[in-house]
Amino acid sequence: AQSVAQPEDQVNVAEGNPLTVKCTYSVSGNPYLFWYVQYPNRGLQFLLKYITGDNLVKGSYGFEAEFNKSQTSFHLKKPSALVSDSALYFCAVRDPVKAAGNKLTFGGGTRVLVKP
Amino acid sequence: SAVISQKPSRDICQRGTSLTIQCQVDSQVTMMFWYRQQPGQSLTLIATANQGSEATYESGFVIDKFPISRPNLTFSTLTVSNMSPEDSSIYLCSVQKGGGTATSEQFFGPGTRLTVL
Repeated sequence: AQSVAQPEDQVNVAEGNPLTVKCTYSVSGNPYLFWYVQYPNRGLQFLLKYITGDNLVKGSYGFEAEFNKSQTSFHLKKPSALVSDSALYFCAVRDPVKAAGNKLTFGGGTRVLVKP
Repeated sequence: SAVISQKPSRDICQRGTSLTIQCQVDSQVTMMFWYRQQPGQSLTLIATANQGSEATYESGFVIDKFPISRPNLTFSTLTVSNMSPEDSSIYLCSVQKGGGTATSEQFFGPGTRLTVL
């Protein structure tokens, strides 16, 4: 069965500093990986995805993520955090095997707080 | 992307009653999903609703409690039946474009915040 772990419930960072949100996954084959952000009282917004190819994926709002197969990780990064990046971040995985029904499995979420 | 609207945005209901949540998408999509989210917590998939077929429910969710309709490619409803305070949650509609291939991302509606008294 597919699963995702986000080991940190909350990440605090000063504005202008690098931001990293950690994610590790478990699937039977090669994973499809996604990052979403949820601002207060809003739905989830898609940030980026890894399907295949270059291990470094660039997404919306200056975010990027690095796929590391040996460490089964897909950490989200931003070189310089903004106060407006404060939100709840979710990592998700989909098993590419068709029988999985395209189901997305979400991690527990990491709350990011960027302080001015 | 996809523009998804949900009605109502929030509601406060009495236990034992039922609430139907509507999800409208701005374009035709094959796959629609319904999730539940406790505030600040992760998402749990309730069911997958594909047009022209019965909804597929995840473990722990049953059709009698959460009946789903999918009358066309742009609309779906989720009913929360015989509600109890444990049903208080945010209910999110989600769609997958790109023909429903495994590589395409899902898009989410703004959610319906339900409080059951």
